[in-house]
Amino acid sequence: DTAVSQTPKYLVTQMGNDKSIKCEQNLGHDTMYWYKQDSKKFLKIMFSYNNKELIINETVPNRFSPKSPDKAHLNLHINSLELGDSAVYFCASSLPTSGAVVTGELFFGEGSRLTVL
Amino acid sequence: DQQVKQNSPSLSVQEGRISILNCDYTNSMFDYFLWYKKYPAEGPTFLISISSIKDKNEDGRFTVFLNKSAKHLSLHIVPSQPGDSAVYFCAAGSIWGAQKLVFGQGTRLTINP
Repeated sequence: DTAVSQTPKYLVTQMGNDKSIKCEQNLGHDTMYWYKQDSKKFLKIMFSYNNKELIINETVPNRFSPKSPDKAHLNLHINSLELGDSAVYFCASSLPTSGAVVTGELFFGEGSRLTVL
Repeated sequence: DQQVKQNSPSLSVQEGRISILNCDYTNSMFDYFLWYKKYPAEGPTFLISISSIKDKNEDGRFTVFLNKSAKHLSLHIVPSQPGDSAVYFCAAGSIWGAQKLVFGQGTRLTINP
């Protein structure tokens, strides 16, 4: 039973195409994220949703559109794919920060490797 | 402008010895720090964390040290085991940062038998 699952794990596509990556978590968390790991290996946050509401949008091109149909799902749709979009995209979830209790612990999916040709 | 940096891309340690992974940060507003471990083809998994009000946190073989004045933290693994071979990411966040974690670029640790 995978806690945070992403599909597909691998995606190879041509420039200009539109693609989606889906993410589901069964941990009962309210907050979900998309992170991008680029060629330099840094993991950078793209979006965060808390109970279906967008709370973080890190200056990501508007070709990237997250959608959260419910708090257990956060999908990422990418329009007009470019070569620079090639990366590994990680979905994650966490408990919400509550008062003084801050752990920052994220639960990650296995990642979706996107290759744009 | 990377606020969290891991300057060693790789580290090789003999089994049974101590592994020390280092991380530097620039933003003094960070108030909690975490280490994640990542195996190939898997997502990062949480290992250990530390609040900025502490300078040390220990969990079994893993200890994280925080030096706020130097804006530096380190992860000590002792004794190192073959299963510790993985990429280790340092991350930092702020309680005012809407749970946004800033990650370093990772250090690949190899434990040699």
